[in-house]
Amino acid sequence: AQSVSQHNHHVILSEAASLELGCNYSYGGTVNLFWYVQYPGQHLQLLLKYFSGDPLVKGIKGFEAEFIKSKFSFNLRKPSVQWSDTAEYFCAVNPNNQGGKLIFGQGTELSVKP
Amino acid sequence: SQTIHQWPATLVQPVGSPLSLECTVEGTSNPNLYWYRQAAGRGLQLLFYSVGIGQISSEVPQNLSASRPQDRQFILSSKKLLLSDSGFYLCAWSTNGPFYGYTFGSGTRLTVV
Repeated sequence: AQSVSQHNHHVILSEAASLELGCNYSYGGTVNLFWYVQYPGQHLQLLLKYFSGDPLVKGIKGFEAEFIKSKFSFNLRKPSVQWSDTAEYFCAVNPNNQGGKLIFGQGTELSVKP
Repeated sequence: SQTIHQWPATLVQPVGSPLSLECTVEGTSNPNLYWYRQAAGRGLQLLFYSVGIGQISSEVPQNLSASRPQDRQFILSSKKLLLSDSGFYLCAWSTNGPFYGYTFGSGTRLTVV
């Protein structure tokens, strides 16, 4: 079945550690890709998105993600995390043949220890 | 600017009671509207989406229904709630046309007891 998979359910890091959250999808054809973040007690916010062009996209707060088409992946990275990055992170895919529907991964909870 | 309102923020309902959650969007016309349910460890599940008044598409069979009586109003309903309907319900909108992603509402925490 077509899906979006986030490999890590819960990641615990110390401040200044590097972060990489995995995201793979199984849709063929053209896709738009997104990462959303949900800070504790807040609603979902867009972190970054990829539609076309440079496969390395930069988002807010120092996050970036790389689209690797051959691997059907869109991993999220940050060189040095901060305690304020503690949140839940969701990868989402918009298959171009499905209008405005976003298919989300299961989410990854990131805990950053001060 | 566009805003999205969702209410109530929290709701506790007994099993078998009806449900009505409302979502309204301001500052845009003819939006695409969506209802998602967020369950711990299971991400966000698309329940319904609508591309226009009276047009509802259901993604999963369930005890819930949706309606769009006005252009910027999207309602999630149930005639008889089940315990399994407990969860966090999110409304979202996107532009009708080029897709740039969603804007989410603040959500409703529903607990069925």
